[in-house]
Amino acid sequence: DIQMTQAPSTLPASVGDRVTITCRASQSINSWLAWYQQKPGKAPRLLIYKASSLESGVPSRFSGSGSGTEFTLTISVLQPDDFATYYCQHYNSWTFGQGTKVEI
Amino acid sequence: EVQLLESGGGLVQPGGSLRLSCAASGFAFSSYAMSWVRQAPGKGLEWVSVISGSGGTTYYADSVEGRFAISRDNSKNTLSLQMNSLRAEDTAVYYCAKGAQLAPRSCFDYWGQGTLVAVSS
Repeated sequence: DIQMTQAPSTLPASVGDRVTITCRASQSINSWLAWYQQKPGKAPRLLIYKASSLESGVPSRFSGSGSGTEFTLTISVLQPDDFATYYCQHYNSWTFGQGTKVEI
Repeated sequence: EVQLLESGGGLVQPGGSLRLSCAASGFAFSSYAMSWVRQAPGKGLEWVSVISGSGGTTYYADSVEGRFAISRDNSKNTLSLQMNSLRAEDTAVYYCAKGAQLAPRSCFDYWGQGTLVAVSS
């Protein structure tokens, strides 16, 4: 089974920071990777699919990169609304990473 | 506007059964795969099951294989999850999620607000 590992688990940050979250797959998954944002008590929201494609309506400060086994989600200029937990997902196996909480 | 509305959650004893439903609207329901994803209290996301647009193909997480059954009624735009032999570790918020394409292996572009299932004596 493919395992998805995110780092870090918690990311202290401030408004205006450039934030990078890493997701590693236990074996190559090509570009079958999505990123989601989840706020407390809310459903997840799709941000990025196919590793680097921005979902419609998602602000351009979010970007994704990578292929094979290593992927990153970058928030170029962190906004107050971006404090949340972020999950990667290998959607060919539907496997989620454990999540990264971006907090103040 | 795409809408997914889950129902059927509640408190159930270990070993009991529960049936969740998800009413979909705002898109061509039969053209997309649908999934159930759960989240235990304070924990991360765990995919549970997926069904293709036609209903002919289903997959399950190992943790629920043989106990849960996913189905859909394309005439009623409804997704269901029959959960049997429930265990304490099945306690979670269960989300209905729309696949981004017809085939089961796709990401989830819309999610419902979730329904809470609590398994306890």
